[in-house]
Amino acid sequence: NAGVMQNPRHLVRRRGQEARLRCSPMKGHSHVYWYRQLPEEGLKFMVYLQKENIIDESGMPKERFSAEFPKEGPSILRIQQVVRGDSAAYFCASSPQRGEGYGYTFGSGTRLTVV
Amino acid sequence: TQLLEQSPQFLSIQEGENLTVYCNSSSVFSSLQWYRQEPGEGPVLLVTVVTGGEVKKLKRLTFQFGDARKDSSLHITAAQPGDTGLYLCAGGGSSNTGKLIFGQGTTLQVKP
Repeated sequence: NAGVMQNPRHLVRRRGQEARLRCSPMKGHSHVYWYRQLPEEGLKFMVYLQKENIIDESGMPKERFSAEFPKEGPSILRIQQVVRGDSAAYFCASSPQRGEGYGYTFGSGTRLTVV
Repeated sequence: TQLLEQSPQFLSIQEGENLTVYCNSSSVFSSLQWYRQEPGEGPVLLVTVVTGGEVKKLKRLTFQFGDARKDSSLHITAAQPGDTGLYLCAGGGSSNTGKLIFGQGTTLQVKP
């Protein structure tokens, strides 16, 4: 997991604040995916990005959530005006090419707690 | 909506025993991946299978993809305490968008 770097590992936010989660993919990987793992639930797909492009955001909530993967720098998952229901582990994964057949490398995750 | 159901959800066995974890769906998947997740960490990829009927072996772990590409199994021979963890199966769709559908996971505990 060391190849995909996520920070912070733990993030505490009060209701109404903004949360910014960062993900640096493995070297040579240009495809980034964000997943959310709620307590007692499995991993749920949120968004798939390539450099400067959102490929599939079908799993993103319509409001308050956004993601970007700029030309330079890490991918950012932003949650505005957080609510208690946003508390979860957020995982980023990367792959060298498009397609599920290649398998993903996941980061260690960011655990968001909304108080 | 594509769903993957894993069984059993929890499994507690003694060291040396064999076990099989199942991953089933009514949908066809283009690929099937198995991951293992430790507490507080992200999933780690164990194997990817893409061809119906495919069997892959990784030391004491044997993975099989069903002929119809709707199901998969993970068999562990002579389980060891180090095998303890959460095992997740994940299916890739035909759209090739990078979206994985994850099962709920099987929590395995191997007692020494």
